[in-house]
Amino acid sequence: ETGVTQTPRHLVMGMTNKKSLKCEQHLGHNAMYWYKQSAKKPLELMFVYNFKEQTENNSVPSRFSPECPNSSHLFLHLHTLQPEDSALYLCASSQEGQGIGEQYFGPGTRLTVT
Amino acid sequence: RKEVEQDPGPFNVPEGATVAFNCTYSNSASQSFFWYRQDCRKEPKLLMSVYSSGNEDGRFTAQLNRASQYISLLIRDSKLSDSATYLCVVRYSGAGSYQLTFGKGTKLSVIP
Repeated sequence: ETGVTQTPRHLVMGMTNKKSLKCEQHLGHNAMYWYKQSAKKPLELMFVYNFKEQTENNSVPSRFSPECPNSSHLFLHLHTLQPEDSALYLCASSQEGQGIGEQYFGPGTRLTVT
Repeated sequence: RKEVEQDPGPFNVPEGATVAFNCTYSNSASQSFFWYRQDCRKEPKLLMSVYSSGNEDGRFTAQLNRASQYISLLIRDSKLSDSATYLCVVRYSGAGSYQLTFGKGTKLSVIP
């Protein structure tokens, strides 16, 4: 299943590094999302992009910076992260305006901040 | 606060058993409802959407009670491959935005 792909799958970075997570959806959807999943916590929505425009930013610290150059690609730029930012970062997409908006997830990037 | 509450679990059941998961949500304006399953260290995958009239997909039956703000998932004839965490998910749309709110999930282990 390659509807939504994410790279890298694993990332270890120091607190002073800058890195980017990439997501690509091959489903022709018009909305994309970033979620964070930490141990023993529910998925937390970070950002929503609808037709390339950001429509939600759920009080995410500025050390996380999203970018959506087109409706198929989504990036999450990371800089000066903290150890508590270590988590699984999931990208998802959906088709808004039709149906009930079910979301499809990529495999995630498992991030460790040292 | 928009929240989704699920049975804490874990549920340990023998193969062939019937198991039911419950979920309640706090936002009465919620519009769409889903069950996802998540295997260990994998992404959530859509199991089924939940419709007002209830719906069935093979061994899985989902029910929605809007008045009580309650969703359920019934799994009949459990298989070992059903072992996973089941996430109750509620979608809210309003003012040009929409969000999925996830429950913490209920872990199911089907035992031989």
